[in-house]
Amino acid sequence: GAVVSQHPSRVICKSGTSVKIECRSLDFQATTMFWYRQFPKQSLMLMATSNEGSKATYEQGVEKDKFLINHASLTLSTLTVTSAHPEDSSFYICSASKGPLDSNGYTFGSGTRLTVV
Amino acid sequence: DAKTTQPNSMESNEEEPVHLPCNHSTISGTDYIHWYRQLPSQGPEYVIHGLTSNVNNRMASLAIAEDRKSSTLILHRATLRDAAVYYCILYNQGGKLIFGQGTELSVKP
Repeated sequence: GAVVSQHPSRVICKSGTSVKIECRSLDFQATTMFWYRQFPKQSLMLMATSNEGSKATYEQGVEKDKFLINHASLTLSTLTVTSAHPEDSSFYICSASKGPLDSNGYTFGSGTRLTVV
Repeated sequence: DAKTTQPNSMESNEEEPVHLPCNHSTISGTDYIHWYRQLPSQGPEYVIHGLTSNVNNRMASLAIAEDRKSSTLILHRATLRDAAVYYCILYNQGGKLIFGQGTELSVKP
């Protein structure tokens, strides 16, 4: 089956620093990857869609300069939280799709717990 | 994006069947019905999906109403490990997976 690896699983960083989260599709090529964030007791909120070789598409209200997304290859997308602040502390989850014709939907990573102190 | 409506929470007893309902009255003809579940502190896990016909897999069954305006996820014998938040989502190929609030299932021993 499809496997998506997300790293790191947990990270603590100081306020004002940047943090990079990696999302890899291990056994398939993902033309599209998605980034979500989830606050405690809430549902997943889609942040952006990452397409290989092109700019990411951000959802309304998500700051593209703060959440930098790079999808340089068909197996790797990265999310960089720049100048992190405590309110950016959240659970970040990536997912990947084999492509628009794949009706099986998405495979999700195990998530990254970010704590900004 | 077409929306779904699910109960906020449900309870089940261990080893009994569980029927998780989902309403999606604005579903379009090309929308697939997907179910995912999320255990605490983990990413969502794919459960099952269907378009028009009922579907079975090793995890669950999906019963889809004839008019496709509702569906039911069936766990045949709930275990403690099935305690999770279950999300019913309409997915159009090439589109986005937009999560609603889901149903929090608790399983009592």
